[in-house]
Amino acid sequence: GESVGLHLPTLSVQEGDNSIINCAYSNSASDYFIWYKQESGKGPQFIIDIRSNMDKRQGQRVTVLLNKTVKHLSLQIAATQPGDSAVYFCAESFANNDMRFGAGTRLTVKP
Amino acid sequence: DAGVIQSPRHEVTEMGQEVTLRCKPISGHNSLFWYRQTMMRGLELLIYFNNNVPIDDSGMPEDRFSAKMPNASFSTLKIQPSEPRDSAVYFCASRSGATNEKLFFGSGTQLSVL
Repeated sequence: GESVGLHLPTLSVQEGDNSIINCAYSNSASDYFIWYKQESGKGPQFIIDIRSNMDKRQGQRVTVLLNKTVKHLSLQIAATQPGDSAVYFCAESFANNDMRFGAGTRLTVKP
Repeated sequence: DAGVIQSPRHEVTEMGQEVTLRCKPISGHNSLFWYRQTMMRGLELLIYFNNNVPIDDSGMPEDRFSAKMPNASFSTLKIQPSEPRDSAVYFCASRSGATNEKLFFGSGTQLSVL
């Protein structure tokens, strides 16, 4: 079946650097994508979302890019801070139905 | 708003016992999701409801698992009988019925089956 997957299971960056977390999806019919952040012992928290009629969306220090041609999603975090250390998940949804999650990428920020 | 509320926060039980996990979605939300998280499989969708009706339960592992949503403000996930391989963190999430809206997650229930 089709699923969401991540290229990199771990990512380590220096504080202040920019981080890029990637995600590949295989369901070309998916029309809504979300990035979640999960800290230890907590539930996933919404970061940013994007609909399939867009290719870029910006939030506070975060940007999501969607490339439908290659079915690729990325999350960019500017000026990464220690508080950004967490596991990041991408998720996809089609026609407001179920929401499926990728495997997750662990981001570690070094001081 | 208190967010999605799950109980208990932790559950330790013995193999063969019945386990019931509880969830109160955000008021006004009409879709509710149950996920299971393990190191091996990540976040797996078990079942989701729209307007209290189960829409897709294909993720439910086997007949030992059942979920109900008797009203818009309460859902349960039951495992009977429980097995050690059911040990995981179980998350409940809800969202409004609007098209393509984000899920709000509870804090999860850490289940350990000995």
